[in-house]
This record gives sequence, structure tokens and C-alpha cells, in this order.
Amino acid sequence: DVKVTQSSRYLVKRTGEKVFLECVQDMDHENMFWYRQDPGLGLRLIYFSYDVKMKEKGDIPEGYSVSREKKERFSLILESASTNQTSMYLCASSPPRGKQYFGPGTRLTVT
Amino acid sequence: AQTVTQSQPEMSVQEAETVTLSCTYDTSESDYYLFWYKQPPSRQMILVIRQEAYKQQNATENRFSVNFQKAAKSFSLKISDSQLGDAAMYFCAYRSPLTGNQFYFGTGTSLTVIP
Repeated sequence: DVKVTQSSRYLVKRTGEKVFLECVQDMDHENMFWYRQDPGLGLRLIYFSYDVKMKEKGDIPEGYSVSREKKERFSLILESASTNQTSMYLCASSPPRGKQYFGPGTRLTVT
Repeated sequence: AQTVTQSQPEMSVQEAETVTLSCTYDTSESDYYLFWYKQPPSRQMILVIRQEAYKQQNATENRFSVNFQKAAKSFSLKISDSQLGDAAMYFCAYRSPLTGNQFYFGTGTSLTVIP
């Protein structure tokens, strides 16, 4: 079974803090994705990566950065967390032409 | 960018009945993939069913089937014999082989199953 894990299920941070969200997949997938999920807005792509050290901006990259130093790991970084970044964050991975596999999500609250 | 539209924010169905969730999409491509994902409350998003656009036959997975109308750019999900465990948020998604790394999601339909 493909497994995508995320470092935290729930996270509470203060405004201005630097936040790291980690995602690891165990199926040697080339592609990895970070989404945020908000009620009524569905899933919005923040960044994706199609190879180690490669990244592409999604629809809403502002305020975020990513890192992919190893194939299995894709990190989302909030350089200076703000209250409008309170959301559910979903990581996913996929092979080049297959379906996506999702992690359990991280519910981030910024106070 | 492709757009995926789910016009029903909420739906409900009586247990054991059938329900259809709607999805339309906008594309100029002829070859692509379509997916329905299910996200139960507080649980992981999982794939329900997928359809390749070049296949004319509608995909079926047990109680789940799709009505794929390529010309109309419509991809509805039919759930037969609904069960309590079907209650979830359902997302329709589009994937293009040309921009093969990106998925485009609808805004979701919240399905309630009434006992």
C-alpha cells in the first residue's frame, strides 16, 4: 500500500513564526504536491514538484516556499505565518500518469 | 488552466437509495483523466473511481459508477445502494497528460446519508 505521511495532524502557531510542514511518501513517486483546503474553495494547489530540487508554483504560492532535497520528502514552509494561513494542508504524491495519493492532512491554526 | 465545477455544495440521500453527484469541466484537450475522490470526515482523501477520456465505456467500481459525457464535458458520479459509510465530501478532479503533473479540483460536494 502506498503511504503518504505528514508530520503533524494538528498544529497551532503564532503569527510571525516560521512553520515547517513535512510530507513523506514511500512509493518512489516523482510528483509531490501541497494543497490547502478551505470550505467552499475546494483544494487549491500551492506548489508541486516533479523531481528532486525541482518545484513549480501552483495557484496560490504567495507566503509559502517548498523544499525537495530527497525524492521521498517534500516540505512546505511558511516563512512568517499569518492568520489567513489557518487552513487544512494536504500533501499528495503521484507517478507521472497515475492517480494521486493523499496524506492525512495537517490542520494548522495561526493565532 | 482547466476548471472543474461541482454545482452541488451539499446533497443528501436515504440509505439504500441512489444518488448522483454532478461535475462539469472546461478543457480544449482531447486526452485527459478524470477522477472522483472521497474525503470522509477527519479522514484521508481516497480515490473512488477514475476514467480515461479516450475510453468510451463508463468506469464502474462496485456501487460506484460514472456517466461520462465527453462532448458535454460532464462527469457525474452515481452511488447505488447508499450506505452510511458513503457520507463524505466528494471531489471531482481533472488531470491533463500535457500538464501531467497538475490536478484540478472542484469545490466539492458534501454528501449526507440519512438512515
